[in-house]
Amino acid sequence: DIRMTQSPSSLSASVGDRVTITCRASQGISTFLAWFQQKPGRAPKSLISAASSLQSGVPSRFSGSGSGTDFTLTISSLQPEDFATYYCQQYNNYPLTFGGGTKVEIK
Amino acid sequence: QVQLVESGGAVVQPGRSLRLSCAASGFIFGRYAVHWVRQAPGKGLEWVATVSYDGRNKNYGDSVKGRFTISRDKSKNTVYLEMNSLREDDTAVYFCAKDGGGYNFGSFDYWGQGTLVTVSS
Repeated sequence: DIRMTQSPSSLSASVGDRVTITCRASQGISTFLAWFQQKPGRAPKSLISAASSLQSGVPSRFSGSGSGTDFTLTISSLQPEDFATYYCQQYNNYPLTFGGGTKVEIK
Repeated sequence: QVQLVESGGAVVQPGRSLRLSCAASGFIFGRYAVHWVRQAPGKGLEWVATVSYDGRNKNYGDSVKGRFTISRDKSKNTVYLEMNSLREDDTAVYFCAKDGGGYNFGSFDYWGQGTLVTVSS
């Protein structure tokens, strides 16, 4: 199974800050990597697929990069509605696996 | 717009069975795989199962293999998750999710709101 490791597991940031979350795969997954945002009590929302392709309707302050084993999600200027938990997910092969999540909290 | 609506969640005793449903609309149902993903209370996301666009291919996570069965009914635009021999560690919110399709097969582009399954004696 491919293990997905996210870091940090949590972070505190202020509105307007630039935030970077990393995701490392235990083996190469090309760009078969997605990012999701989840708010408490809500379903996850798709942000990015294919490592860097923004889903329709997602603000341009979100961006993704990477290939192989190392990936990043960047929020260029954190907004109040961005405080949430973020997950990466690989879909290079089965079983489909998620990272453990990164909780972005208000400083 | 794409909608996925789960139903069937309940409180059940260990060892019992339950069937979840996911009613889909807003896209061509027969063209996309559909997945089930679960989230135990306070925990992260865990992929459970996938059914291909035509229902012929199915994949399962190790923790549910042999106990859960995924299926789809094209006449009802609905995907099912039949859960047998339920255990307390199956307690979770169960989400269905539409596959991204094409190059993004295996990703999830739209999610339902989830349905809660509680396994407890």
